[in-house]
Amino acid sequence: KNEVEQSPQNLTAQEGEFITINCSYSVGISALHWLQQHPGGGIVSLFMLSSGKKKHGRLIATINIQEKHSSLHITASHPRDSAVYICAVKARNAGGTSYGKLTFGQGTILTVHP
Amino acid sequence: GAGVSQTPSNKVTEKGKYVELRCDPISGHTALYWYRQSLGQGPEFLIYFQGTGAADDSGLPNDRFFAVRPEGSVSTLKIQRTERGDSAVYLCASSLGVAGAQETQYFGPGTRLLVL
Repeated sequence: KNEVEQSPQNLTAQEGEFITINCSYSVGISALHWLQQHPGGGIVSLFMLSSGKKKHGRLIATINIQEKHSSLHITASHPRDSAVYICAVKARNAGGTSYGKLTFGQGTILTVHP
Repeated sequence: GAGVSQTPSNKVTEKGKYVELRCDPISGHTALYWYRQSLGQGPEFLIYFQGTGAADDSGLPNDRFFAVRPEGSVSTLKIQRTERGDSAVYLCASSLGVAGAQETQYFGPGTRLLVL
């Protein structure tokens, strides 16, 4: 079982719909990242969370540390939101020291139709 | 300012050949990371540097893979005796300071490696 699991793997929506992508992880973490990757393009960091909720424009990210779960929401989706959305965690050891590397989920392919 | 750059953007090689992939991090970033992304998968960690030293190389798949960062800025990922299974996008990222919990990693565009 992967340490970071995302669902759904593929998501198709109509323009204007509210979208939710979920991420569950099985390790202790110091931070969770949501990333966006366009076809043929690089990876862009959307959010970094260690607790609570963050909002940027139409994007909202939440995290529940106790349940080891995070969600990425997109309100009023638009075709330009079509991309792969990746959840990644920065794990920490039993002593609380953060590892430098990120561990990634497999990504969610989002397609928004006009 | 300039972001993370990687060269070449694409590399096609034959099985058994040696390849070098280069990463130029954002100026002043002390931490540098290499990841590998196979088609349809999320990236997987290979190695990261803090300054000139490899702080964690636990993701390197075998001894054909090696990376250096001799002056604490540019890094080169070296793959010997390439195999078809090495075909992937190799991603580089950098972050400002010590690789702590709150550091954002900035990704380069990747090098797409195809081993024939």
